[in-house]
Amino acid sequence: NAGVMQNPRHLVRRRGQEARLRCSPMKGHSHVYWYRQLPEEGLKFMVYLQKENIIDESGMPKERFSAEFPKEGPSILRIQQVVRGDSAAYFCASSPIAAFSYNEQFFGPGTRLTVL
Amino acid sequence: AQKVTQAQTEISVVEKEDVTLDCVYETRDTTYYLFWYKQPPSGELVFLIRRNSFDEQNEISGRYSWNFQKSTSSFNFTITASQVVDSAVYFCALKENYGQNFVFGPGTRLSVLP
Repeated sequence: NAGVMQNPRHLVRRRGQEARLRCSPMKGHSHVYWYRQLPEEGLKFMVYLQKENIIDESGMPKERFSAEFPKEGPSILRIQQVVRGDSAAYFCASSPIAAFSYNEQFFGPGTRLTVL
Repeated sequence: AQKVTQAQTEISVVEKEDVTLDCVYETRDTTYYLFWYKQPPSGELVFLIRRNSFDEQNEISGRYSWNFQKSTSSFNFTITASQVVDSAVYFCALKENYGQNFVFGPGTRLSVLP
């Protein structure tokens, strides 16, 4: 039973380019969460999605960042026109049932984004 | 509002010493869940333990033990006879019962010297 998969594991972009981070949840999981870890900091919640729906994006920066979780395929976190401050590790987590109860979130290995 | 504080930014110990990592949390929920994760230099998050708010029993797993004190809102983590492989950043996290996400502390970087 494969865990949460994220790719790429490392991504290098130049300022102004777009970054696309992918997350494939565990089999049978329909809830996905994205977290960002800035250097030397803890993880901060960004967005919570179910299939085809954004449930909570209260942690997402207002501009340049978007997320989706289509009916088929992985969840995508998209960062347009990246800046150096976007350099961070981005973790995805998935869970099998709704967040409004106890359920464990399983974390992927993260994507490390470096903006030159 | 929910918050997790890990006051120790960095700790260094010599191998075989015991070390305790502190975690203090804030929540208004009566039902919540506390977690510890290890982040080794490779960067992934390794799940260590989950504790429910209604279960105040302390837990021991090998060289690891956890002390949950609801009265002081603390969930401290002790490593006995530390080893070099324990060197990592350790995160404490909180999830409220009706919360949608984890709230992580800033982490404590543990260095175990040979």
